[in-house]
Amino acid sequence: GAVVSQHPSWVICKSGTSVKIECRSLDFQATTMFWYRQFPKQSLMLMATSNEGSKATYEQGVEKDKFLINHASLTLSTLTVTSAHPEDSSFYICSARYGRGTGELFFGEGSRLTVL
Amino acid sequence: QKEVEQDPGPLSVPEGAIVSLNCTYSNSAFQYFMWYRQYSRKGPELLMYTYSSGNKEDGRFTAQVDKSSKYISLFIRDSQPSDSATYLCALRSGTYKYIFGTGTRLKVLA
Repeated sequence: GAVVSQHPSWVICKSGTSVKIECRSLDFQATTMFWYRQFPKQSLMLMATSNEGSKATYEQGVEKDKFLINHASLTLSTLTVTSAHPEDSSFYICSARYGRGTGELFFGEGSRLTVL
Repeated sequence: QKEVEQDPGPLSVPEGAIVSLNCTYSNSAFQYFMWYRQYSRKGPELLMYTYSSGNKEDGRFTAQVDKSSKYISLFIRDSQPSDSATYLCALRSGTYKYIFGTGTRLKVLA
């Protein structure tokens, strides 16, 4: 299957700092990428849909100023958690839509954020 | 009513058993169906992708879709301890809306 790379896989930061997470589709172009948050033993919670070259669409209840999403190219989307606080600690996962008609979603490995 | 229902488990089976994982959905707009496996602290891995009603087989995995009943299944034959993970069903509409089940935790006991 197609490969989606997510970096970093884990990050620890101090409260008040900003953290950037990258999501790259390595062997295909992804016009649409998705960002999720996942709490332990819970399912994926969609945060936002990122389309290349346009503003992200955020789900209800997700603060767009807190979670900045940029999709500047067909292979890269970034999620920046601004002014992170301990309650932002979570597992963040991206996915990329394989665009050649079939529309399968391929996921990154996930990024574990711990805010101290 | 949730758009997709999936039993969270946990489901415990002995090694070698046939595992049946299921999801039901309510909206006939969903036409494409996926099954993912997620190990703890990892991203989901795509196992199966199907469109038509019927069966699709890949190694020990068989995906079954019954659009008339709005019911999808994933069967795992000769289950192994390494199959222990959470299995998520996912549905996609023609307009690229994706819905995920809550996931079923599977434990295969050696």
